[in-house]
Amino acid sequence: DIQMTQSPSSLSASVGDRVTIACRASQSINTYLNWYQQKPGKAPKFLIYATSTLQSGVPSRFSGNGSGTDFTLTISSLQPEDFATYYCQQSHSNSPYTFGQGTKLEIK
Amino acid sequence: EVQLVESGGGLVQPGGSLRLSCAASGFTFSFYAMSWVRQAPGKGLEWVSAVSGSGDRTYYADSVKGRFTISRDNSKNALFLHMDSLRIGDTAVYYCAKDPSVAVAGDFHYWGQGTLVTVSS
Repeated sequence: DIQMTQSPSSLSASVGDRVTIACRASQSINTYLNWYQQKPGKAPKFLIYATSTLQSGVPSRFSGNGSGTDFTLTISSLQPEDFATYYCQQSHSNSPYTFGQGTKLEIK
Repeated sequence: EVQLVESGGGLVQPGGSLRLSCAASGFTFSFYAMSWVRQAPGKGLEWVSAVSGSGDRTYYADSVKGRFTISRDNSKNALFLHMDSLRIGDTAVYYCAKDPSVAVAGDFHYWGQGTLVTVSS
C-alpha cells in the first residue's frame, strides 16, 4: 500500500493568513494527488486533482503543488469558511487508493 | 446537478449482513465509475471499493475483500454495496462517490451525504 502522511495534523491560523499543508507519499505517485475539504458532519468536498488543478467553483486562493512524493496545499488568504479538515489522497494505485490522516485547520 | 443519495445504513450485529444503496441523478450514470468510501467515527477517510461504469471491473480494499460486494444497476441509476460478515471495525459512515470517467480512476469528484452503519451487539 502507498502510505500518505500529512503534516501538521492540526494547525491554528487567523483569517487572512497564508497556510500550507504538506503531504508525503511513501513512494512516487507522479502527480496523482487529490485534495479534499471536510467540514464537521458533512461529506468531503473535492478541491484539487492531479496535484494542482482546481475543481470547478473552488476559489483561486487554493493552490496545489508537488510531484513524486512531496506535495503541498496552500491557502493564500484564509477566509472564515476555510476552517475545516483537509485530506490528501493518492489515485496512482488502486491497491488501494489511500488518504492522508487529515489536517484540522482551526481558528486562532 | 449531480446528486448522490445513500440509504440502507443501520444497526447490525457482528457477523450480520447489510446492503447499502446509492441513488444517482443529474448525470448519465453508466458513463462513470463509482466508489464507496467510509469514515469511522472521529477518524479519517478509507476507500472501500470501486466499480467501472459498465460494472465489469471491481476493486476492493484488503480490509473488505471477500466480505463486501460492489455492484450497480445502470438501468436504475443505482450503486450497491452488499456487506457480509460485518465486524465492529466496519462501523462507519459510508459515502458513495463519483469518478470523472467510465474507468476507475480513484478521483472522487462528487460525494453523497453518507449513511451510518453501526456494527454492535
